[in-house]
Amino acid sequence: DTEVTQTPKHLVMGMTNKKSLKCEQHMGHRAMYWYKQKAKKPPELMFVYSYEKLSINESVPSRFSPECPNSSLLNLHLHALQPEDSALYLCASSQVGRAPGNTIYFGEGSWLTVV
Amino acid sequence: GQQVMQIPQYQHVQEGEDFTTYCNSSTTLSNIQWYKQRPGGHPVFLIQLVKSGEVKKQKRLTFQFGEAKKNSSLHITATQTTDVGTYFCAGRGGYQKVTFGTGTKLQVIP
Repeated sequence: DTEVTQTPKHLVMGMTNKKSLKCEQHMGHRAMYWYKQKAKKPPELMFVYSYEKLSINESVPSRFSPECPNSSLLNLHLHALQPEDSALYLCASSQVGRAPGNTIYFGEGSWLTVV
Repeated sequence: GQQVMQIPQYQHVQEGEDFTTYCNSSTTLSNIQWYKQRPGGHPVFLIQLVKSGEVKKQKRLTFQFGEAKKNSSLHITATQTTDVGTYFCAGRGGYQKVTFGTGTKLQVIP
């Protein structure tokens, strides 16, 4: 069982809605990630936070807005999404740095459908 | 940017047969991780390899990291129906950046 908790598990939203995905971990990890996964594709990195600061933004459209309120929480704010944004959104966490043992642990994901 | 390819894309095997998936990176990796994703599920961590030429075993699964740290393989001996899923390698290249391979979907025929 994963120690990264994501809510909600399923979300249906209209293109004019504003919603948020939430992620929480209590493993003491200081790196947190958002990945997007489309059907039959590998997870694609969206954002990385290190020590609560945004360290990587993979040229993600501004309709996706990440937020890291503290070392345990990670949010993804959604606004004016398009149907093609429908996907599984995965949150993950790890220790910071390249040292051995920086395993990335994934949450169960939030299934997003944009109508 | 870094690209990580896996072959084959799909593999159907009879239960009891062996299975191997290969992972190749366009750049040298500091480490490589392997994940399994069941249909409808999320990626589950299997193992991490760090050293050049490293070989690790988990029961029927054998993982190898290439000498040049640009390729890796996962071999499953005597597949079972519980092995069904998509296997991803994930390479850590730059700081905090982990790129997933394209994945190999394994189907086991009873």
